[in-house]
Amino acid sequence: AQSVTQPDIHITVSEGASLELRCNYSYGATPYLFWYVQSPGQGLQLLLKYFSGDTLVQGIKGFEAEFKRSQSSFNLRKPSVHWSDAAEYFCAVGGGATNKLIFGTGTLLAVQP
Amino acid sequence: DTAVSQTPKYLVTQMGNDKSIKCEQNLGHDTMYWYKQDSKKFLKIMFSYNNKELIINETVPNRFSPKSPDKAHLNLHINSLELGDSAVYFCASSPSERPNTEAFFGQGTRLTVV
Repeated sequence: AQSVTQPDIHITVSEGASLELRCNYSYGATPYLFWYVQSPGQGLQLLLKYFSGDTLVQGIKGFEAEFKRSQSSFNLRKPSVHWSDAAEYFCAVGGGATNKLIFGTGTLLAVQP
Repeated sequence: DTAVSQTPKYLVTQMGNDKSIKCEQNLGHDTMYWYKQDSKKFLKIMFSYNNKELIINETVPNRFSPKSPDKAHLNLHINSLELGDSAVYFCASSPSERPNTEAFFGQGTRLTVV
């Protein structure tokens, strides 16, 4: 069965520091992978997605993610975090016959001044 | 204009009541969804409609009944509300039911059952 694991429930980084949020997936075929961000009281906004091709994908707000098939991972990175990046981040996997997204449990990012 | 809009944003109601949440998308998408986010922020799909036809129904109690009058609208009706129904419900849409398409989410409806 498809599943997504985000090992880190809560991460705190200092403003200006680099960030890496981990995501591991379990899927029998080629997965479609997504990172969404949820600001407090808001809906989910797509940061980036991987369908095929270049395994390093660029997204909005300076985020990028790398698909590593050998590690079943799709980690999200940002070289320099801004205070406005504080939010909940969700990794998701899609695929199969329908566009059903399976979400991870989320990582809450706090940014220290 | 908001791409995917849900109403109401907040809903507080008593156990046993029946309530509806409305969702509309102006993106011209064919496929719409309802997701439930529980108190631990876990997101799980409930239903999906493609061109007004139900394509995903994820073991949801039959007290929950989605209705799609046209492909731009997907409403969620909940009968006999229970405390465990308290959650944030998100509507979403995507261009098609194919898995390599992006889902756009609404702002969510926070349902509190007391």
